[in-house]
Amino acid sequence: QSALTQPPSASGSPGQSVTISCTGTSSDVGGYNYVSWYQHHPGKAPKLMIYDVNERPSGVPDRFSGSKSGNTASLTVSGLQAEDEADYYCSSYAGDNNLAVFGGGTKLTVL
Amino acid sequence: EVQLVESGGGLVEPGGSLRLSCVASGFTFSDYSLTWVRQPPGKGLEWVASITHNSAHKFYADSVKGRFTISKDSAEKSLILQMNSLRGEDTAVYYCARARGNSWFSDSWGQGTLVTVSS
Repeated sequence: QSALTQPPSASGSPGQSVTISCTGTSSDVGGYNYVSWYQHHPGKAPKLMIYDVNERPSGVPDRFSGSKSGNTASLTVSGLQAEDEADYYCSSYAGDNNLAVFGGGTKLTVL
Repeated sequence: EVQLVESGGGLVEPGGSLRLSCVASGFTFSDYSLTWVRQPPGKGLEWVASITHNSAHKFYADSVKGRFTISKDSAEKSLILQMNSLRGEDTAVYYCARARGNSWFSDSWGQGTLVTVSS
């Protein structure tokens, strides 16, 4: 069982928006503004999409955005495109004894 | 361009040992902390271990503490993961990643190397 809870799947049609949730506790998501999101196409290297809740690395489209409320963080993908279809993982810092706790992953399908 | 290339994976019997390496290029190796993350077959990502830029501090997941050792070889610009007393549940693709900031997010990842623990 993963430390953070994500829905196993999400879907949307091209051009639509979809939001993926990531629920933790006050010891991880709720305790720090240190949530990150990764896109993973199977067989490839994971890619950082969002860090520190809502910061976007250079090169990541602004269609990707992050937010947090209490113990739940969210990743929103707007204007869905076919290449967005992938697995998405959230992660949170949880203190020096647990630098990164991950969610179980959400498979995003573009219909 | 940042590149991280893992090697050293393979098939090992339970109780055995394996040494993973990750060669880094495209950035100043001594300036960055590094992390190992693994993905068991059909499952999600799991943080394994991290090391600060100067190797002063090392951090381990409870599941590997006392069995795995993370280290940096600055001369070879390599991140090392020495894995001892391997168990079936250690079977996974192991990724190395460059860590950033106080939140230890990983901004660049390798392609991974597969470790299979089985008799």
